[in-house]
Amino acid sequence: EVHLVQSGAEVRKPGESLKISCEASGYSFISYWIAWVRQMPGKGLEWMGIIFPGDSDTRYSPSFQGQVTISADKSISTAYLQWNSLQSSDTAIYYCASSYCHAPGCHNYFESWGQGTLVTVSS
Amino acid sequence: EIVLTQSPGTLSLSPGERATLSCRASQSISGYLAWYQQKPGQSPRLLVYDASTRATGIPARFSGSGSGTDFTLTINSLEPDDFGIYYCQQRTNWPALTFGGGTKVEIK
Repeated sequence: EVHLVQSGAEVRKPGESLKISCEASGYSFISYWIAWVRQMPGKGLEWMGIIFPGDSDTRYSPSFQGQVTISADKSISTAYLQWNSLQSSDTAIYYCASSYCHAPGCHNYFESWGQGTLVTVSS
Repeated sequence: EIVLTQSPGTLSLSPGERATLSCRASQSISGYLAWYQQKPGQSPRLLVYDASTRATGIPARFSGSGSGTDFTLTINSLEPDDFGIYYCQQRTNWPALTFGGGTKVEIK
């Protein structure tokens, strides 16, 4: 069974750094893309970026380019989302999602999602 | 960047009624569109991909249609469990992708 388990809720002050994680199991981690999606309070889903753990090919949404860093560690099947300097506007739930899919043909969509990590940035 | 516009913003319906949700793309995305359902406090769930293919385990009352720039998700005979927010997502320029703003389906 496929599982994506994200790290727990975090509270930080503006200007602080943060790295959250998403540990995958139940499928070949290096063979499918992992995306990060932001959901601000009461708002919709926003694609932030995506990484292919097999070769670390990473793409970012123009809205998030330069604001965050996405990485992955193949040895422990874990993807990361990192900020160097948080702002209050980064307060949101962050989801990871894998492009692994049970059925053929849906490997460019997201059937498996993590439970979300709530990040609160407040002074 | 391809923009997805969903309408209506909110749909107020009773159980047993049919829901029709729209997603319009700013340029042609062929059939590369998915629909997700999200309930409060939960992660999104994939319902339909490639515009009309139901994901594994999704009931037949959910159906998707469309191509090019106009897409529809239809939920026949709404059940209490179907109320939530629905998002469309395109993947024409994979691995780049975008989500629509969402349509809330609420109980009337």
